[in-house]
Amino acid sequence: DQQVKQNSPSLSVQEGRISILNCDYTNSMFDYFLWYKKYPAEGPTFLISISSIKDKNEDGRFTVFLNKSAKHLSLHIVPSQPGDSAVYFCAATFNYGQNFVFGPGTRLSVLP
Amino acid sequence: EPEVTQTPSHQVTQMGQEVILRCVPISNHLYFYWYRQILGQKVEFLVSFYNNEISEKSEIFDDQFSVERPDGSNFTLKIRSTKLEDSAMYFCASRGGQLGNQPQHFGDGTRLSIL
Repeated sequence: DQQVKQNSPSLSVQEGRISILNCDYTNSMFDYFLWYKKYPAEGPTFLISISSIKDKNEDGRFTVFLNKSAKHLSLHIVPSQPGDSAVYFCAATFNYGQNFVFGPGTRLSVLP
Repeated sequence: EPEVTQTPSHQVTQMGQEVILRCVPISNHLYFYWYRQILGQKVEFLVSFYNNEISEKSEIFDDQFSVERPDGSNFTLKIRSTKLEDSAMYFCASRGGQLGNQPQHFGDGTRLSIL
């Protein structure tokens, strides 16, 4: 049961351009969503989050958009940098939940 | 910046042996977690721990698994009799005790290889 989906296993973007990573979820109970970045041989690093009472949250080059009616969220990275190349995981939980449900990840490659 | 630390970084164990994976969460955090990632698959929740007891666990976390916070700083995951399919990266995470939604912060993981 894939409650959190990331349908693009990989994405390549030119340096300086916008990267858009997408995530869909099926459980309408989810009310808190996060994006994590993961480099090889390291653990996931928290990037940005959004609660269901908002539709946008911005932190520097990173913006997360939430569309509750479509059960869809996206992460925008502008401008993209080569150091952003990593695997990006979408995660979701509800009711201050203990259990984060992770998507399968999207590998972003930012080309110089 | 405070971080979650995990030891060892790589553990090789014979099938059937017991293994203990160790984690030192961020010092003022109150909620602790274990996740695993089998090679090529997604990160999966195993267990959460608060106030010295398990608060939630997944189907993966069967009787072969146990967790403990023995001394107020370490948080351990024990697998009693390892199986080949236990080979995976195991991630520890922690979060603070403030009310409301907060991110979990992850360690760099222990790669467990069962021979």
